[in-house]
Amino acid sequence: GAGVSQSPSNKVTEKGKDVELRCDPISGHTALYWYRQSLGQGLEFLIYFQGNSAPDKSGLPSDRFSAERTGGSVSTLTIQRTQQEDSAVYLCASSLMGLDYEQFFGPGTRLTVL
Amino acid sequence: SQQGEEDPQALSIQEGENATMNCSYKTSINNLQWYRQNSGRGLVHLILIRSNEREKHSGRLRVTLDTSKKSSSLLITASRAADTASYFCATSPRGTSYGKLTFGQGTILTVHP
Repeated sequence: GAGVSQSPSNKVTEKGKDVELRCDPISGHTALYWYRQSLGQGLEFLIYFQGNSAPDKSGLPSDRFSAERTGGSVSTLTIQRTQQEDSAVYLCASSLMGLDYEQFFGPGTRLTVL
Repeated sequence: SQQGEEDPQALSIQEGENATMNCSYKTSINNLQWYRQNSGRGLVHLILIRSNEREKHSGRLRVTLDTSKKSSSLLITASRAADTASYFCATSPRGTSYGKLTFGQGTILTVHP
């Protein structure tokens, strides 16, 4: 079946602009995660969605970052007023609910802020 | 913050040799997982070991877990050039009710044909 898909694969933007990154999880996966990978910080957890529960936003680095998940499926990560330090690969993952299920990762969106 | 520390940071071997990568972590865990990443993009899940397990095998992969030392190792036997990638350990901290993962910095493995 189809895996996790993300769009766009690459995004170049100017400092101060807003960007939206999209994630389509695997059908039937109730858990959805966003991570960020950058040279200086490695792989960092950003936010987690589980069904209709309130998301865990504890990893979001600032209030410029927000995410939503519509209808329990597609998720959008929005970064407002982008800064150069936001440049990174943004990875989305989905899984079945529970502790011991593997997370399936998408190919990521490479964001470059000029 | 990064819970895991991986060792070595880079490993270069010849095809056919075994590769061993180590991971240490700081807090109690539910499970520990190993992922592989090619070309800095999506991660591929390799193996999951629960906190009450000590060893697990999957094909040419062998993972051990020592919760008393808070460490794990990944062994790839009879390596191939196609195993060249970055390998990450990720822990699910105890006390979380879901699979939030904390990743190590990774080991870059290069297998020369």
